[in-house]
Parts: sequence; structure tokens; C-alpha cells
Amino acid sequence: AQSVTQPDIHITVSEGASLELRCNYSYGATPYLFWYVQSPGQGLQLLLKYFSGDTLVQGIKGFEAEFKRSQSSFNLRKPSVHWSDAAEYFCAVANILTGGGNKLTFGTGTQLKVEL
Amino acid sequence: NAGVTQTPKFQVLKTGQSMTLQCAQDMNHEYMSWYRQDPGMGLRLIHYSVGAGITDQGEVPNGYNVSRSTTEDFPLRLLSAAPSQTSVYFCASSYAGGGEAFFGQGTRLTVV
Repeated sequence: AQSVTQPDIHITVSEGASLELRCNYSYGATPYLFWYVQSPGQGLQLLLKYFSGDTLVQGIKGFEAEFKRSQSSFNLRKPSVHWSDAAEYFCAVANILTGGGNKLTFGTGTQLKVEL
Repeated sequence: NAGVTQTPKFQVLKTGQSMTLQCAQDMNHEYMSWYRQDPGMGLRLIHYSVGAGITDQGEVPNGYNVSRSTTEDFPLRLLSAAPSQTSVYFCASSYAGGGEAFFGQGTRLTVV
């Protein structure tokens, strides 16, 4: 069965500092991987996705993630964090259904706090 | 373009009551799904549908029913609410074949 591990429950960084959020996955085939962000009281917004090809993917809001098959990881990075980045971040892996659609398995999330 | 719309946004139920959480999407997506979000547990799949008339169970289906009579709508029914069903519920939709999932704003349900 597929699974996602986000080992950091909470992370605090200073505004302007770099950020890396960790994600490890378990999946039997080539994974479809996603990072979502959730602001308080809101739904989930897609930051970026990896399906195939270049292992370094660029997303919205200056985020990027690198797929490393050998480490089963898909870590999210940002060179300089802004106070508005404070939110909860979820990594997810998709089980592509033969009938269509994708069953997402989510990690437990990482809560990011940004100190001014 | 409304995307995925969930109603209501907030609901308080008494134990044993029933209710339906509504979800509608206007993107002509084949695939729709329901998740529940609980603190420290991320989002867990309740039920999903790959098209009108086709539904299947996810990871935590007990206590919930779904049906999909149209492409646009995918309601989630709680037959007899229990305090363990207190959670935030999210509906999502996507094109078939692994595309990005679009999420609604969520329904915060409290069962007392």
C-alpha cells in the first residue's frame, strides 16, 4: 500500500531564510507526487506536481521540489520565505486508477510558522 | 468559474441525526472524491467516484454513503452521526488519468 511520511510536524523559520520540508513516500511504481498548501480555514491549493521527466519541478509562489527516486523523497524548498507562507503543507502520492482518477494518499502535514 | 463548491460550510449535529454534505463541480471532471481531515492525521479518503453511477470505498468509508447520479454532483450522506465523525470534510475533483485534484473550501462538522 502506498504511504507518505512527513517527519516534521512543526517548522519555524525566520522571514527571508531558506526552507526545506521533507517528504518520503512508499509506492510500488513510478509515483505521481504533489505538494499542497492549506491556509487556516481554507481548502487545499496545489503548489506543484511531479509526474515524469525533469526531477526538479517548479511551482507557484517560488516553491520547487526535487524528486529523488533512490531516496524515495520529494522535498519542498523555497530560497527565501515570506511571512505569507505560514500555512500547513501536505505532500501526497497518487494511485492512478485504471478506471480514471487518482486516489491521493496524504502525509500528516507540516505546519510552517514564519517569524518576522 | 466556481470550481468545487461545498455546502454547508459549518454544521452541528446531534448524535444519531442524519445529514447530507453537498459537493458540486463545474469543470466537467470525471473523478470526484471525499476526504476527512483530522488533526495530526492529514486527509483520508472516504469515498470516490470515477464517473456518474460509479462509486467505491476509500480508506475510511464506515458510516458514510455516496451516490453519483450526475457528473457535477457528489453528495456525502451521514446516516446516523457519531461524535467520531466530527471533522473537516473536503470534496475534490479531477480529470481522469492522474491530473491535479481541485478541492472545495471544506465543511466543518461537529457532532455532539
